[in-house]
Amino acid sequence: QVQLKESGPGLVKPSETLSLTCTVSGGSVSSVSYFWSWIRQPPGKGLEWIGDIHYSGRTTYNSSLKSRVSISVDTSKDQFSLNLGSVTAADTAVYYCARDLIDGLGFDFWGQGILVTVSS
Amino acid sequence: DIQMTQSPSSLSASVGDRVTLTCRASQSISGSLNWYQQKPGIAPKLLIFSASNLQSGVPSRFSGSGSETDFTLSISSLQPEDFATYYCQQGYSRPHTFGQGTRLETK
Repeated sequence: QVQLKESGPGLVKPSETLSLTCTVSGGSVSSVSYFWSWIRQPPGKGLEWIGDIHYSGRTTYNSSLKSRVSISVDTSKDQFSLNLGSVTAADTAVYYCARDLIDGLGFDFWGQGILVTVSS
Repeated sequence: DIQMTQSPSSLSASVGDRVTLTCRASQSISGSLNWYQQKPGIAPKLLIFSASNLQSGVPSRFSGSGSETDFTLSISSLQPEDFATYYCQQGYSRPHTFGQGTRLETK
């Protein structure tokens, strides 16, 4: 059974960079069949896809965040990471990592989520 | 970007009711539509992929239909554990986009 788990600081100061890592177990990020995504959910609001990465290094980002976001993968550790720069209070959210089937067949496995608060 | 619009935004129903939720895409997405269920404090769960395919382990009272721009999620006989928020998501093109959600509440 594939499992994903987010890790990183729960509190980030405004204007700084939010950095999170997702560790995959029970499977490998080096599969041609999947993309690996970051999705966030502000408190009480809906889901926003941030971006994804394929093990080959190909990335796609949400255009609304593209200037501030970077996603990378470490195949040796079965991890992928999110960096979101110049954060503001509007970036406060639960951040999820998820596995995305390559043909748009949905996010079939999710991490438990990690709440990141942007505050001084 | 493709916009996804769900209706209604909230729905009150009772155990045993049949309910239908709607999702509309701003352009044709063929059959690339996925549905998720989310309960408070828990990550979303994939229910249906490619408009009408039940994810493994999902009860058969859930069903999906539609194509192009109009899609529905139906629950044939509501159970207590079905009260949750439901999201649609298009898998047709990146960036992936979600609907704003339909909150299914007990009447």
